[in-house]
Amino acid sequence: QKEVEQDPGPLSVPEGAIVSLNCTYSNSAFQYFMWYRQYSRKGPELLMYTYSSGNKEDGRFTAQVDKSSKYISLFIRDSQPSDSATYLCAMKVAGANNLFFGTGTRLTVIP
Amino acid sequence: EAGVVQSPRYKIIEKKQPVAFWCNPISGHNTLYWYRQNLGQGPELLIRYENEEAVDDSQLPKDRFSAERLKGVDSTLKIQPAELGDSAVYLCASSLGSGYGSGRNEQFFGPGTRLTVL
Repeated sequence: QKEVEQDPGPLSVPEGAIVSLNCTYSNSAFQYFMWYRQYSRKGPELLMYTYSSGNKEDGRFTAQVDKSSKYISLFIRDSQPSDSATYLCAMKVAGANNLFFGTGTRLTVIP
Repeated sequence: EAGVVQSPRYKIIEKKQPVAFWCNPISGHNTLYWYRQNLGQGPELLIRYENEEAVDDSQLPKDRFSAERLKGVDSTLKIQPAELGDSAVYLCASSLGSGYGSGRNEQFFGPGTRLTVL
């Protein structure tokens, strides 16, 4: 079993829809949770970052962490065609540098 | 400010041939990472450098892969000989370093080198 599980999709939604992306994990020592966005032929770029449990909002993006369930989510409101990309969750243990990634979910927002 | 630079962007080789990838991290970043990303998968760490020292190379297949980071700046990842299963995107990332207080220590990724082994 991989430490981080993520539904690979693909996920197709109409423009303006609310998108929900999720990951589960098995290592209870993970304290830092991140969402990366990766456009085709590009490297991942950090989108959202959360420490421990709770919610974090940044514009149209909301990240949620539920450590009791070992479950994290990324919500995208009013999705735009420019949001079409692969979204990777990643997490790490406090004091460590190594990131553990999910497989990524490929999202397409249809105009 | 320039991001992480990688070259070449694409490489096609025949199996058993050697290949090398080059990475120039963001200026001032002490930590450098090499990841491999297989098609439809997330990146997996191959090796991490703190300055010029390889501090985590547990996932590097040492029979055919080697890496170096001379002078603690640029880094080269080499495969010799390449196998069909090595076809992947090889990503380089850098961060300020583990000594910078905050646990965030954001990693910045380069565009990757897409390797195809025929």
